[in-house]
Amino acid sequence: AQKVTQAQTEISVVEKEDVTLDCVYETRDTTYYLFWYKQPPSGELVFLIRRNSFDEQNEISGRYSWNFQKSTSSFNFTITASQVVDSAVYFCALSEVNDYKLSFGAGTTVTVRA
Amino acid sequence: DTAVSQTPKYLVTQMGNDKSIKCEQNLGHDTMYWYKQDSKKFLKIMFSYNNKELIINETVPNRFSPKSPDKAHLNLHINSLELGDSAVYFCASSHGGSGTDTQYFGPGTRLTVL
Repeated sequence: AQKVTQAQTEISVVEKEDVTLDCVYETRDTTYYLFWYKQPPSGELVFLIRRNSFDEQNEISGRYSWNFQKSTSSFNFTITASQVVDSAVYFCALSEVNDYKLSFGAGTTVTVRA
Repeated sequence: DTAVSQTPKYLVTQMGNDKSIKCEQNLGHDTMYWYKQDSKKFLKIMFSYNNKELIINETVPNRFSPKSPDKAHLNLHINSLELGDSAVYFCASSHGGSGTDTQYFGPGTRLTVL
């Protein structure tokens, strides 16, 4: 059975600090997809990134970056120079091929203080 | 234009009542989902529908009955509501459902059972 672990429950930082969110996953499949979603205080779930298991290149999008390492089954997410608007719950999720669902981690609550 | 919409946004009701939540997507997607987010923010799949056919029913009590009148709609009907049904329910859609495609979520419906 697939599983996603986000060991950090809460992280609190001061604005402009960098913050890294850890995500470790388990799957028996060789083909799978990893996702990050953001849930701001308003409650909606916002898609951030999708990465397939064959693409280990790191990705950067503005202040967001992702580090995918198959060797350690991790897909970590870094927010550089955090801002108050980054305060949210961040979810890591896994989907296997032919699996009509996302399996989510428990989420990490990020609080950015001004 | 809202991609995935849900109504109502808030639903407060008494134990034992029957209620429905509606979901519509205008993305032209083939697959739709219902997820439940509990009070600890944990997200779990309930149902997946592909081209109006039920693909996943993740051990959800049969008081919950999804209905997909067409590919753009997936409604959730709940009979005999219980206190434990209080949660936020998210509808989502994706182009396909094989695990390769990104799921886009609606704004959520907060159900409170008194």
